[in-house]
Amino acid sequence: DTEVTQTPKHLVMGMTNKKSLKCEQHMGHRAMYWYKQKAKKPPELMFVYSYEKLSINESVPSRFSPECPNSSLLNLHLHALQPEDSALYLCASSHSGANTGELFFGEGSRLTVL
Amino acid sequence: QQQVKQSPQSLIVQKGGISIINCAYENTAFDYFPWYQQFPGKGPALLIAIRPDVSEKKEGRFTISFNKSAKQFSLHIMDSQPGDSATYFCAASGQAGTALIFGKGTTLSVSS
Repeated sequence: DTEVTQTPKHLVMGMTNKKSLKCEQHMGHRAMYWYKQKAKKPPELMFVYSYEKLSINESVPSRFSPECPNSSLLNLHLHALQPEDSALYLCASSHSGANTGELFFGEGSRLTVL
Repeated sequence: QQQVKQSPQSLIVQKGGISIINCAYENTAFDYFPWYQQFPGKGPALLIAIRPDVSEKKEGRFTISFNKSAKQFSLHIMDSQPGDSATYFCAASGQAGTALIFGKGTTLSVSS
């Protein structure tokens, strides 16, 4: 069982909708990540929060807006998405700081944009 | 220089056989090399990892071989089982604050 919990597991939204993806971990990890994964491709880093501060933003379009309310929670706010944004969105955490390599992934939120 | 090149893209192995997946890197600043296993509909899970100060690490049926001079590392799955059928990603990380770099993945099918 994964210790990184993501909700919802599936989300279908129109291009004008606003929705949010949520992630929670209770392992005391201090770095949390959002990745995007297309079918048959590796995970692609979007954002990293380290000690609740945004430390890496991989030039992600502004229609994706991350938020880290506290050290256990990570949100990804979605607005005015495009069909090509349909993908599996993965949350991950690691023990300390950005990039120890030992990432713990959630099961992902499967997003479909119509 | 930031790439991790992984091969093969797909692999079919008979039950009981040895599965071998190879990765190569260029950046000598990389100092941590994990392998992730991903089943369909699931997130990747850390399988095994190695640091450059050792040439081999074994955990059960899974072994990483590391060749620092060649800048290559590989995953060996001994006695492959149908339950090992998944996508495997090698990865590399360097100094803190930089992103984990993934290879493109290998889809392994173990036939019974």
